[in-house]
Amino acid sequence: QVQLVQSGAEVKKPGSSVKVSCKASGGTFKSYAISWVRQAPGQGLEWMGGIIPLSGTGKYAQKFQDRLTITADESTLTAYMELSSLRSDDTGVYYCARAKVAYTYLGWFDSWGQGTLVTVSS
Amino acid sequence: QSVLTQPPSLSGAPGQTITISCTGSSSNIGADYDVHWYQLLPGTAPKLLIYEKNNRPSGVPDRFSGSKSGTSASLAITGLQAEDEAEYYCQSYDSSLSGSVFGGGTKLTVL
Repeated sequence: QVQLVQSGAEVKKPGSSVKVSCKASGGTFKSYAISWVRQAPGQGLEWMGGIIPLSGTGKYAQKFQDRLTITADESTLTAYMELSSLRSDDTGVYYCARAKVAYTYLGWFDSWGQGTLVTVSS
Repeated sequence: QSVLTQPPSLSGAPGQTITISCTGSSSNIGADYDVHWYQLLPGTAPKLLIYEKNNRPSGVPDRFSGSKSGTSASLAITGLQAEDEAEYYCQSYDSSLSGSVFGGGTKLTVL
């Protein structure tokens, strides 16, 4: 089973951007979608978008379409999530998660990163 | 407002059986996309409990089971234990949104 390790906590000002990394080890990287899921304080899990590294193209939930960029570097087995124009309600824990089924966004997430706390505050 | 609807909270006594519902629509559960379930403990990443129709990853007790009918799905937990106190989330795929969707989560309290 693949292990996912995320970068550390971030504190950002409103209007700025944050970039979180997710490094994979122990499994195949390029064929399986890496998704980003966040949990705001007191809220539920929310799928933000994902990328199948082999395709190189991110797929985004409509809510985040205009300020989210997801990329992947096959050489370092690392996926990235960059969220811009940060607001206070972007505060939360951001998880990367790998889909179990190759070449699709369907299916379940069998591996999760440990989560990265992003705090947006002036 | 989550695409999949779950009860916000449930409670049960040790040993009891509880069922958590997950209601969707014709573009997700009703379109025959599978429903998966996760357990979320404070400070930890989500843990996969049930995938596809009613499959458990290695290490998940058979006290946990899943079912689906029409536009709804359910997670049943039998023989409730104190360690089951957690948040539970359902997840599926939505063809209208072209992506994964989660339920709003259910906070389970073991009395």
